[in-house]
Amino acid sequence: GENVEQHPSTLSVQEGDSAVIKCTYSDSASNYFPWYKQELGKRPQLIIDIRSNVGEKKDQRIAVTLNKTAKHFSLHITETQPEDSAVYFCAASRGKSTFGDGTTLTVKP
Amino acid sequence: EPEVTQTPSHQVTQMGQEVILRCVPISNHLYFYWYRQILGQKVEFLVSFYNNEISEKSEIFDDQFSVERPDGSNFTLKIRSTKLEDSAMYFCASRSSGGWNEQFFGPGTRLTVL
Repeated sequence: GENVEQHPSTLSVQEGDSAVIKCTYSDSASNYFPWYKQELGKRPQLIIDIRSNVGEKKDQRIAVTLNKTAKHFSLHITETQPEDSAVYFCAASRGKSTFGDGTTLTVKP
Repeated sequence: EPEVTQTPSHQVTQMGQEVILRCVPISNHLYFYWYRQILGQKVEFLVSFYNNEISEKSEIFDDQFSVERPDGSNFTLKIRSTKLEDSAMYFCASRSSGGWNEQFFGPGTRLTVL
């Protein structure tokens, strides 16, 4: 089955700095790669996604890149703000979603 | 904007009891999922459901679990005899028949087994 690895498990940055979270996946049939932000006790909230026919996508301060050959995808957050602090999950999907272990991002003011 | 809804938001039960978690997927969606998240851990796939049958299930989804779509709107997860380790947040998700698999998550049911 699909295996998704996510790094780092924790990330601490100063406000205004960039944050990068990386994931790898194993199943070449996965064709959709969402990123979720999860706050304590809440559902995963989709923040950006990328489809397998696209190499990168940007939405304001958030960008995602996908390297299908290497089976890598990454989340980039620029100009981080304290409210970006949360747990971020990547996932690889071909119907069902397989989630990474999560990255706890802390943005220090 | 249509949303996936789940009830109850929190369920407390005694070990060995049966629980039913309920979900109302988005009305024109055809694919339904249950996921589980133990506190502090990642979201884990349990089961997917399409065309009134299970399409895929994980090793977590053993004989104690079952799913049902009893009518045109509800999608339920039943745990027959709960164990302490079933304590978790359970998320329902649904997606349309579109090809890119974007899933919409419900708010979750927190299950506490005592």
